[in-house]
Amino acid sequence: DTGVSQDPRHKITKRGQNVTFRCDPISEHNRLYWYRQTLGQGPEFLTYFQNEAQLEKSRLLSDRFSAERPKGSFSTLEIQRTEQGDSAMYLCASSSRGAGANVLTFGAGSRLTVL
Amino acid sequence: GQNIDQPTEMTATEGAIVQINCTYQTSGFNGLFWYQQHAGEAPTFLSYNVLDGLEEKGRFSSFLSRSKGYSYLLLKELQMKDSASYLCAHASGGSYIPTFGRGTSLIVHP
Repeated sequence: DTGVSQDPRHKITKRGQNVTFRCDPISEHNRLYWYRQTLGQGPEFLTYFQNEAQLEKSRLLSDRFSAERPKGSFSTLEIQRTEQGDSAMYLCASSSRGAGANVLTFGAGSRLTVL
Repeated sequence: GQNIDQPTEMTATEGAIVQINCTYQTSGFNGLFWYQQHAGEAPTFLSYNVLDGLEEKGRFSSFLSRSKGYSYLLLKELQMKDSASYLCAHASGGSYIPTFGRGTSLIVHP
C-alpha cells in the first residue's frame, strides 16, 4: 500500500474558477477526512465520510464546497467560484476505526493558490 | 483549534530535552493526540493518550491530565531532524474526529 494519495499536488487558478481535488485513501480504511491548513495554523476540519456516507461537515464550510465519496473508496472535494481566501493546503486523511485510537494517516496534500 | 492552546514557537539545543505543553477544553473527551509535521509535509502520528499518565515511546513521551485539560510532549536527546511543527489534537464526540491546535514550531539548533 502506498498510503494516502492526493491529486493534484499543486493547483493555481483564477478567482471564480472551479477546482476539484481527489483523494485515494488506504484501501482498508473506511473513514476519510478532509482538512484545510493555512500557513502557521493547524489542520482545520472540513468534512468526514464513513464508507460512502458523509457523516459530518464543518459549520464553517461554505456551500461552495462539496465533497463526495461515491463508492466508499476515493473521494473528491470541489470548490466552486474560488476566492482568494480559499488559498490553502487541502489535506486528506483516512483511518480504520477499531479498538483503540482513531489514528489518521494523512496524504501529502493539495496546495491551492487562487489568484 | 480555538479551544486548544499551545505555544507558537520553541527553540532548543541539539542533545537537550524539550517539553511542549498543550491545554484544551472539550466535552465528550475521547483522547489526546500528538502529530509531527515537517515543513511542506503531511502530519504524522506520534502518540495517543486516553488515560491519565505518561506514555513513553523511545525518545518521545506524552503525558495527559484529563482533570486539568493538560498534556505535554517530551522530546529527549534532541536531534536536528526533530525541527518541525508539533500538533496537539483532541478527539471528542461520537465520531472521534480530531480537532487540531495551531501547532508549536520547534527549532533545534546545534
